[in-house]
Amino acid sequence: EAGVAQSPRYKIIEKRQSVAFWCNPISGHATLYWYQQILGQGPKLLIQFQNNGVVDDSQLPKDRFSAERLKGVDSTLKIQPAKLEDSAVYLCASSERGAPLDEQFFGPGTRLTVL
Amino acid sequence: KNQVEQSPQSLIILEGKNCTLQCNYTVSPFSNLRWYKQDTGRGPVSLTIMTFSENTKSNGRYTATLDADTKQSSLHITASQLSDSASYICVVSGSQGNLIFGKGTKLSVKP
Repeated sequence: EAGVAQSPRYKIIEKRQSVAFWCNPISGHATLYWYQQILGQGPKLLIQFQNNGVVDDSQLPKDRFSAERLKGVDSTLKIQPAKLEDSAVYLCASSERGAPLDEQFFGPGTRLTVL
Repeated sequence: KNQVEQSPQSLIILEGKNCTLQCNYTVSPFSNLRWYKQDTGRGPVSLTIMTFSENTKSNGRYTATLDADTKQSSLHITASQLSDSASYICVVSGSQGNLIFGKGTKLSVKP
């Protein structure tokens, strides 16, 4: 079974530039998550999708971050414009239904460096 | 406030030795607790999951314990190997499915 795919793996941009990350979840998984993991910390949930609807985006900085999952499968996360403090690893995860006991499977992440 | 605290922050042990990582949480209502292993440059991978009624769960050389009364969990690694070098993250799930992550313990196993 293929895992969660993410691209690119690494991205370096200058502040005020835009960047987009892509995620393809495990086939059949209804729930997709985007996390931000700052060095030395645990992941922080940015947004959770159930199929193509948003379940939780309370911690998404909506003035600069946006995400979509138009067809309920793959998803993109965009930052525009980027700030220095956005430097982090962006992890995508998926689970079968989003139920509390469902395991979340994580992708390898995209490491973003903002200069 | 829902929180998950882990200790120690980092740990260095010699190959073959045992170690125990700690996790304290204040998440309520509680659904389950997972320990994840995160290798450098990779996403976290689940090692164990425990619900309220379980107090021990093993996965090979990894044994997790849960004391739901004191809201404490531990992850014991037996006969450590170099490949155990990673960050270990304690994650508590509330009954709404929300996940609260600890900051992790960075384990280094030296030859």
